[in-house]
Amino acid sequence: GQSLEQPSEVTAVEGAIVQINCTYQTSGFYGLSWYQQHDGGAPTFLSYNALDGLEETGRFSSFLSRSDSYGYLLLQELQMKDSASYFCAVTPQDSNYQLIWGAGTKLIIKP
Amino acid sequence: DAGITQSPRYKITETGRQVTLMCHQTWSHSYMFWYRQDLGHGLRLIYYSAAADITDKGEVPDGYVVSRSKTENFPLTLESATRSQTSVYFCASFHRGANTEAFFGQGTRLTVV
Repeated sequence: GQSLEQPSEVTAVEGAIVQINCTYQTSGFYGLSWYQQHDGGAPTFLSYNALDGLEETGRFSSFLSRSDSYGYLLLQELQMKDSASYFCAVTPQDSNYQLIWGAGTKLIIKP
Repeated sequence: DAGITQSPRYKITETGRQVTLMCHQTWSHSYMFWYRQDLGHGLRLIYYSAAADITDKGEVPDGYVVSRSKTENFPLTLESATRSQTSVYFCASFHRGANTEAFFGQGTRLTVV
């Protein structure tokens, strides 16, 4: 089947850099997406990698390696407001654009 | 207002009752989805729709019914609510051909007592 694995929780210090990994078992997908969800809120889109390599959007970067079935979200200059859950998701090519989601990584930031 | 909106935001209902959660989007996105999210879990797809009058089951469709007579609306009905359906429900939409950025409603927190 198709699945995505993420760490359940990551802890980091304010101002530091943190990497959230996502490994997947799926073949033939359009791209890897990342979403952020604050407690009590809705998921919001952060980034999308259609091709291998690094995509940078401000303090956030996302990476995809299809050959390694691996991606990550990199958050730099961590701020307390970055405390949230982060989800990776893929859109399999045979899925009629359904998103397959990881279970999410809760990022805890300490001052 | 432009965007995707869900109603109600909060709902308490009794076991066995029928309840409908509403979802409305103003972008004319072709794809719409219903997810449930339980504490400590990710998003599980209930139903999705590729266009008006086209719907299909997701991962956890049992006990739910959807319809999509108009592109902008995608209501989700719990035919006979059970306690196991207590959850937060999210509606989402996106337009095929974009970078698959999905837009989510604010969520409906449903409690079945």
